Amino acid sequence: GDSVTQMEGPVTLSEEAFLTINCTYTATGYPSLFWYVQYPGEGLQLLLKATKADDKGSNKGFEATYRKETTSFHLEKGSVQVSDSAVYFCALIGSSYKLIFGSGTRLLVRP
Amino acid sequence: DAGITQSPRYKITETGRQVTLMCHQTWSHSYMFWYRQDLGHGLRLIYYSAAADITDKGEVPDGYVVSRSKTENFPLTLESATRSQTSVYFCASKDTNSGNTIYFGEGSWLTVV
Repeated sequence: GDSVTQMEGPVTLSEEAFLTINCTYTATGYPSLFWYVQYPGEGLQLLLKATKADDKGSNKGFEATYRKETTSFHLEKGSVQVSDSAVYFCALIGSSYKLIFGSGTRLLVRP
Repeated sequence: DAGITQSPRYKITETGRQVTLMCHQTWSHSYMFWYRQDLGHGLRLIYYSAAADITDKGEVPDGYVVSRSKTENFPLTLESATRSQTSVYFCASKDTNSGNTIYFGEGSWLTVV
């Protein structure tokens, strides 16, 4: 069945550092791909999405490109801020019509 | 405001009691979902619904019951709460007109003592 694998955390960075959180997926067909963010004590917010190969989703300085050849959707940001500290979830919707999540990666940004 | 709302946001209940978590969305999305989030397990799908009067089991349905008599409401009932059901519960709905984007409620924190 469909699945998502993302790098284990926590990821600890200094402010203004470059961020990459790896995400790879297994799915039949052409899934839609998402990144969600969860701030402490809050629900999940959609960060960005991509619905077809080579699409780039972007929001709040974060970017991710749908790479079908490598089945990846890595999240990147050029300069992280303390306020970016949160848990990030990679997810897909495939043929099952259900949202399948990765296990989440905790990001901690230090001043 | 339009959106998806859950109630109660916080609940403490005793083992064996019945608890219902409410979920309401104003978008008229056909698909709705219930997830639970636990440390070490990420988000797991409990039940989902493709439309009013259509529901199906997810990964972890045991001990839960759902109904969907109206498109906008999708309540989740714990028939006889157990401590293992202490968790954060998220309701969600899917916008099939926008790349199947799923939007989440703010969560219901449930503690079973």
